[in-house]
Amino acid sequence: NAGVMQNPRHLVRRRGQEARLRCSPMKGHSHVYWYRQLPEEGLKFMVYLQKENIIDESGMPKERFSAEFPKEGPSILRIQQVVRGDSAAYFCASSPIVGGLAYEQYFGPGTRLTVT
Amino acid sequence: AQSVTQPDIHITVSEGASLELRCNYSYGATPYLFWYVQSPGQGLQLLLKYFSGDTLVQGIKGFEAEFKRSQSSFNLRKPSVHWSDAAEYFCAVGGYNNNDMRFGAGTRLTVKP
Repeated sequence: NAGVMQNPRHLVRRRGQEARLRCSPMKGHSHVYWYRQLPEEGLKFMVYLQKENIIDESGMPKERFSAEFPKEGPSILRIQQVVRGDSAAYFCASSPIVGGLAYEQYFGPGTRLTVT
Repeated sequence: AQSVTQPDIHITVSEGASLELRCNYSYGATPYLFWYVQSPGQGLQLLLKYFSGDTLVQGIKGFEAEFKRSQSSFNLRKPSVHWSDAAEYFCAVGGYNNNDMRFGAGTRLTVKP
């Protein structure tokens, strides 16, 4: 059973460009979470999605950031018009549903975004 | 709102010494508690979790943690640290449906030879 997959692992964008980060959850997992980790800091929750639904986006910046988890295909975190402050590691996690409850989260290796 | 505090930003221990990493949480209901480890440049790996039952939980790599409701703590311990344990450790708290999990700022562990 493959783990959570993220690509690309490293992404370099110039200011003003768009960044698209992809996350494929573990097989059988229907919940996906995105986190941002700034240097020397912990993980900050951004958004929680189920297939075709955004459940909680309270940690997502109001502008330039969006996320989706379509019926088919990976979850996408999209950052428009990137700025230097967006440089960070972005982690995706997925969790299974057991008896209607979501349990522990399994993390991908992350995408390290550098904005030049 | 739930929150997690890891009071120690950086801890250094000698190889073979015992280890305890502190974690305090704030949560309005029964918490689900987790410890994750992150090696440099890597994602997070789950060490152990507490949902209910025995308050002393065993995890991978020889780690254990004890849930103390009265102290709102979930400290991570290991009796004898190995050099390969050097990493960043994160405590996390979640709730019933796990969609509100929050992480502490992390504790960086350095192991001296």
